[in-house]
Amino acid sequence: ETGVTQTPRHLVMGMTNKKSLKCEQHLGHNAMYWYKQSAKKPLELMFVYNFKEQTENNSVPSRFSPECPNSSHLFLHLHTLQPEDSALYLCASSPGDGNQPQHFGDGTRLSIL
Amino acid sequence: GESVGLHLPTLSVQEGDNSIINCAYSNSASDYFIWYKQESGKGPQFIIDIRSNMDKRQGQRVTVLLNKTVKHLSLQIAATQPGDSAVYFCAENSGGSQGNLIFGKGTKLSVKP
Repeated sequence: ETGVTQTPRHLVMGMTNKKSLKCEQHLGHNAMYWYKQSAKKPLELMFVYNFKEQTENNSVPSRFSPECPNSSHLFLHLHTLQPEDSALYLCASSPGDGNQPQHFGDGTRLSIL
Repeated sequence: GESVGLHLPTLSVQEGDNSIINCAYSNSASDYFIWYKQESGKGPQFIIDIRSNMDKRQGQRVTVLLNKTVKHLSLQIAATQPGDSAVYFCAENSGGSQGNLIFGKGTKLSVKP
């Protein structure tokens, strides 16, 4: 139990579908992150939210749309994805005030047909 | 560009032996480093961190060593157990105040009984 919960754990969708990934943290943190993890690649930072404000968009295509309604919840809305978007999507949180470890959820395994 | 990398992609050790996992970093401005462990089907789990004003930090069965002169980070695991089998990532802060991290590709540790 890491304090960061992601749902669903697995998702299969077609390229024309719209779906959303959800992340919730119970650690009282102020910063939340989305990462993409592909085979044989380092973790790729996608988005950062600090105190509900998006502070980083790491050149992510617009077919990925994040939403952070409060400091405990983070969503990633998906629309018209491509096969190369198949990956493990990880959410993390941290206190947000400097050098502190990020705590990760167990991810959503996304497969695009 | 700046990057974090790992010397060995795989490491196989005998149960009970000590393990050493290495990491090279290139951003001389980085002042915070973290080691994560990722088991199959799970998200990265925080193991230990170290700030640049230290060269060694110990946890339970783990020690992190930092050599800023050669920009090298290592994780030592004492009396390696089968439960230590996982992929290990090092990460460095990207120099910003938000604590954004840059991750290496990972080393897979296999423990033989």
